[in-house]
Amino acid sequence: GAGVSQSPSNKVTEKGKDVELRCDPISGHTALYWYRQSLGQGLEFLIYFQGNSAPDKSGLPSDRFSAERTGGSVSTLTIQRTQQEDSAVYLCASSPRSPGNTEAFFGQGTRLTVV
Amino acid sequence: GENVEQHPSTLSVQEGDSAVIKCTYSDSASNYFPWYKQELGKRPQLIIDIRSNVGEKKDQRIAVTLNKTAKHFSLHITETQPEDSAVYFCAATWVQGAQKLVFGQGTRLTINP
Repeated sequence: GAGVSQSPSNKVTEKGKDVELRCDPISGHTALYWYRQSLGQGLEFLIYFQGNSAPDKSGLPSDRFSAERTGGSVSTLTIQRTQQEDSAVYLCASSPRSPGNTEAFFGQGTRLTVV
Repeated sequence: GENVEQHPSTLSVQEGDSAVIKCTYSDSASNYFPWYKQELGKRPQLIIDIRSNVGEKKDQRIAVTLNKTAKHFSLHITETQPEDSAVYFCAATWVQGAQKLVFGQGTRLTINP
């Protein structure tokens, strides 16, 4: 079956512009995560959606970052007024989060370059 | 909230030797501990996981051990091969609490031929 799909794969934007990154999780997965990975660095947590619960936004680095998940499926991460330090790979992951099946599957990521 | 510390940040071993990567976690409620492997330019992929009701799990050349009392878990790779070279991430979460999956900082493992 289809895995987690992210679009676009690459995005180059000018400083100050807004960008939207899209994540299509695996069908039926209730949990959806966004992480950021700078070059050679670790997986920085951004936001977590779990079913109908209020999202955990504790990892968003500033109010320029926001995310939504419509209908419990597709998610969009929006970065307003992009800065050069926003350049990174943005990874989305989804998981069934059922007691017997907790594996998180990652998308291929969106490489964002702010120039 | 949960905090996961991972050591070492880099590890270099000779082909055929063993590699061990260690993680500690802070939240005693955490009960699921996966390990992910990320090859250069690729997405992270699950290689093994362990739940808090067991102390050790093996899958061919890889094994994970868990010490709930000390709140630490480790990844063991035996008979290392060049294709084991990658970045490895540990993580922790409390499944029933619907808590986020928190990752360690990663270990860059290099296998020298």
